[in-house]
Order: sequence, then structure tokens, then C-alpha cells
Amino acid sequence: DQQVKQNSPSLSVQEGRISILNCDYTNSMFDYFLWYKKYPAEGPTFLISISSIKDKNEDGRFTVFLNKSAKHLSLHIVPSQPGDSAVYFCAAGRYDTGTASKLTFGTGTRLQVTL
Amino acid sequence: GAVVSQHPSWVICKSGTSVKIECRSLDFQATTMFWYRQFPKQSLMLMATSNEGSKATYEQGVEKDKFLINHASLTLSTLTVTSAHPEDSSFYICSARPPRGGPTYEQYFGPGTRLTVT
Repeated sequence: DQQVKQNSPSLSVQEGRISILNCDYTNSMFDYFLWYKKYPAEGPTFLISISSIKDKNEDGRFTVFLNKSAKHLSLHIVPSQPGDSAVYFCAAGRYDTGTASKLTFGTGTRLQVTL
Repeated sequence: GAVVSQHPSWVICKSGTSVKIECRSLDFQATTMFWYRQFPKQSLMLMATSNEGSKATYEQGVEKDKFLINHASLTLSTLTVTSAHPEDSSFYICSARPPRGGPTYEQYFGPGTRLTVT
């Protein structure tokens, strides 16, 4: 059961334009969402997160939007740069009563920013 | 801040041998670390949650006797792949979570370890 889905396996965007990466989830109990960027043979790098009580969070060129009613979130990158070319994973988690809060990852979207 | 290291970055071993992978949080203490596995062009699959001073919690389908996890200190967790077989060849990534400072539990990832079993 894939609780977090990224339906677009790849996306190509011109440098300077906006990149929009989408993510859908099925579990309404998720409390927070995160976006990670990953280069081949490297670990994911944390980009930005959002709590389920918010609908938008912005950090520099990165903005995450959350639509809880649609169970959908998106990552906007403006302006896109060649160095943004990577695989982007969305992830979701729940607050636990204990110390561990596991993340559920989507399948990833490969972003290619062209010159 | 929030730097996580892994060692080794890549390892080749023969079938039937054991391999240990270390995960360290360099600038923070982590009571919880996580071990993931990633197959080519696939998502990260959580294998287990490593808790300092207690037994690891394994995800369904992960053999605890094959993937031994030890969280000996607040900055070190190890994953030992015992009696490795070619199907264990994969990219193993650990993560750690700093003491909670905000509303979201970000995990910070190590650079990963490429294991090849021949």
C-alpha cells in the first residue's frame, strides 16, 4: 500500500522557470510533510517541511503548499537552476507517543533543469 | 549542523561473509536513528528504527537476525549484514533525528553505503 505517491517519475524544466513537483497521500493521519533532494549515490538532503496545520511554507526559492482536503502537496522551485537537477522525494510522518517518528517516502520525481 | 556520516561509503564482500556499516551523528546526539535500503530507481524503504540503549524495531518483512542493529551510543548506530548474499546488494542509508526543535521531525541522512555481494 503506497501511502505517499509521486505520480510523475520525471520532469524537465528550463532554467529560470518554475518547477512544480507534486505529491499525493492517502493517510489523513499524517501530521507533517517533508521534501528531500537526492543525488545519485548520496543520501537525501532535507529541503523544506510543513506541518499539517499550515497550508504554505516558504524558504528562499522553495515553497511547499499543502492541500489537506485534496491530500496533496507540492514543491515549487523558483527560479529553477541547473544545480536543482536531482531526484526529489516527498515524505510524510506522524507524531508518535514514543520517541520514534517514522517517515513514509514517495517514489521520487527526477527533475532535470535544462539551459 | 545536523551532519550524519556513514562508513564505509562502499564495500564489496563475498557471499557468506558479514559486513558492518557505521552511522554517526557528528554534531548532535540522536536517541533515534533509522536504517533504509534503496534499490535502483526506487524509493527509500525503511528497514528498522534504532533506539539508543534498547532493541531495534524492524519493519515487516525485514529479518532481524540477518540485519543486526546496535545503537551503542547517542552518536553511533551500526548495521551488520550477516551471511550476506548477492540479493543483499543494495544502497543502505542511515538517518538521524536531532532533538526536536520545531513542529516537524526532520531526519538527516548519511551519504549512504553501496554494498555489493559477489
